[in-house]
Amino acid sequence: QIQLVQSGPELKKPGESLKISCKASGYTFTDYAMQWVKQAPGKGLQYMGWINTQTGKPTYADDFKERFVFSLETSASTAYLQINNLKNEDTATYFCARPKMGSSDYWGQGVMVTVSS
Amino acid sequence: DIVLTQSPALAVSLEQRATISCKTSQNVDNYGISYMHWYQQKPGQQPKLLIYEGSNLASGIPARFSGSGSGTDFTLTIDPVEADDIATYYCQQSKDYPWTFGGGTKLELK
Repeated sequence: QIQLVQSGPELKKPGESLKISCKASGYTFTDYAMQWVKQAPGKGLQYMGWINTQTGKPTYADDFKERFVFSLETSASTAYLQINNLKNEDTATYFCARPKMGSSDYWGQGVMVTVSS
Repeated sequence: DIVLTQSPALAVSLEQRATISCKTSQNVDNYGISYMHWYQQKPGQQPKLLIYEGSNLASGIPARFSGSGSGTDFTLTIDPVEADDIATYYCQQSKDYPWTFGGGTKLELK
């Protein structure tokens, strides 16, 4: 069965960096892009962008062009989200999701990131 | 960016019909396809795809859920509402990049 399994929760201080993973299984990793979605506590879903799993080319939504990096380890069917110079407002749950026909048919379980001094 | 507007909350009774609306700031149709999708999210869980391209039921989703609409006005209908349907529902457009989500409608019991 198709699964996206993400890494565990993170507690970081402002200014630090983190890298969270999203491991895909049950399908050919390079047949679908991977996208990332942010959900701040008690808030709605915010689209961050996506990465082409064939070329490795990332595309970022405007709010996520500065400190956010999407990357891949194709041999391990894994996508990564790195956030540099963490800020308090980065406190959120981050989801990876498989896009299909414009929607997202499979989602990871989410990674809760807490940024606090 | 295309803005999607949903009512924050909707109170319904079990076994009744719930209609959740989503209005977009621009037309999200193209060549006869509505690039509108609906998700259900329960607390502490990831979103689940319910409806894609306006009216197509996603795999494994019960027929109590249906989607309709076109252009800038879309509706998710749940009929009849069951206790397990109490959740927050999000619409999302993929007509124009960046894809955007509505603010979510929290379905509550009356």
